[in-house]
Amino acid sequence: ELKVEQNPLFLSMQEGKNYTIYCNYSTTSDRLYWYRQDPGKSLESLFVLLSNGAVKQEGRLMASLDTKARLSTLHITAAVHDLSATYFCAVDSDDKIIFGKGTRLHILP
Amino acid sequence: EAGVVQSPRYKIIEKKQPVAFWCNPISGHNTLYWYLQNLGQGPELLIRYENEEAVDDSQLPKDRFSAERLKGVDSTLKIQPAELGDSAVYLCASSQDRGLNEQFFGPGTRLTVL
Repeated sequence: ELKVEQNPLFLSMQEGKNYTIYCNYSTTSDRLYWYRQDPGKSLESLFVLLSNGAVKQEGRLMASLDTKARLSTLHITAAVHDLSATYFCAVDSDDKIIFGKGTRLHILP
Repeated sequence: EAGVVQSPRYKIIEKKQPVAFWCNPISGHNTLYWYLQNLGQGPELLIRYENEEAVDDSQLPKDRFSAERLKGVDSTLKIQPAELGDSAVYLCASSQDRGLNEQFFGPGTRLTVL
């Protein structure tokens, strides 16, 4: 059974700092997704990672995938308040898509 | 281009009443998903359609939940009868390319069962 674990689940950080969110999963997969969700809103697609070693960057966010370690990371560089949100990773394995519980990120001005 | 459309946005009903949610995916997207999201949790898949065929409904509680996508475009999710524990946000998503499988989510329907 595919399990997806994110950590930390909650993160409060100062503006300007760097931090990394981790997403571990339990079975082989070749597709991993990162989403952002603002309070009361729906999910917004951030990144799609399709292969081992894939790295994608958009602004202050960078996502990477290590399929051998079954690990993806979402790195935040020089955080700004606008990045406050909940971030979900989701793993696609054998046509099953499982979401992590999310990381609630609060960036203090 | 219009995104995924869902209605209603909010619904409040008493337990044991029926309720239905509607979703219109992005034009040209063959795959449609219904998810349930509880507060503070990630979305949980209820059912996935490829065109009009339900290809994964293993997580759908079939005693009270049903779904249809008759013409392979829009879809309806129904609960009958609703229970207190069904209070949640029901999200619809669609994707175009099974290879990439990037999903685009609608705004959701927030259901409150009293």
